[in-house]
Amino acid sequence: QKEVEQDPGPLSVPEGAIVSLNCTYSNSAFQYFMWYRQYSRKGPELLMYTYSSGNKEDGRFTAQVDKSSKYISLFIRDSQPSDSATYLCATHSGNTPLVFGKGTRLSVIA
Amino acid sequence: DTGVSQDPRHKITKRGQNVTFRCDPISEHNRLYWYRQTLGQGPEFLTYFQNEAQLEKSRLLSDRFSAERPKGSFSTLEIQRTEQGDSAMYLCASSTDRAYEQYFGPGTRLTVT
Repeated sequence: QKEVEQDPGPLSVPEGAIVSLNCTYSNSAFQYFMWYRQYSRKGPELLMYTYSSGNKEDGRFTAQVDKSSKYISLFIRDSQPSDSATYLCATHSGNTPLVFGKGTRLSVIA
Repeated sequence: DTGVSQDPRHKITKRGQNVTFRCDPISEHNRLYWYRQTLGQGPEFLTYFQNEAQLEKSRLLSDRFSAERPKGSFSTLEIQRTEQGDSAMYLCASSTDRAYEQYFGPGTRLTVT
């Protein structure tokens, strides 16, 4: 079992839809959780960063962490075609290398 | 632009040749990480430095790979005797040792023919 599992999609939604992206992880030592957005042939761009359980909101993006079920989510409200990209979840236990999911490819159709 | 920079952005080489990539981290960041990403996969950790000290190396980092960060600023990743399986995107990231977010560069795409 990989340490971080993420459905690779692809996920296709109409413009304006709410998008839900999810990951599960197996190591209870993980405490720091990140979401990256990666456009084709580019480096990952940090979108959201959360520590331990709870919610964090930034504009149209909300990150949720539930440590009891080892489940992390990213919600995108009012999705736009420019949100079309691969979304990577990542985690670590504190100043250690990141462990990534495979990424979910999202297409937002105008 | 004060983000992480990598050079070159693309490299095509023949099997058996040596290649070297460079990463310049964000200036106040003392931690520097190298990752490798293949198509359809998330990045996988290779090695990381705190200042000039190489603190951890992944099992993915065979003895054909070597990384340096001689003055605790930029870093180089060298691959000797390249193989077709080395074809991938090589990503560099940096962070401080107080904040845990890692910021990535644009990557170097290596193609071994």
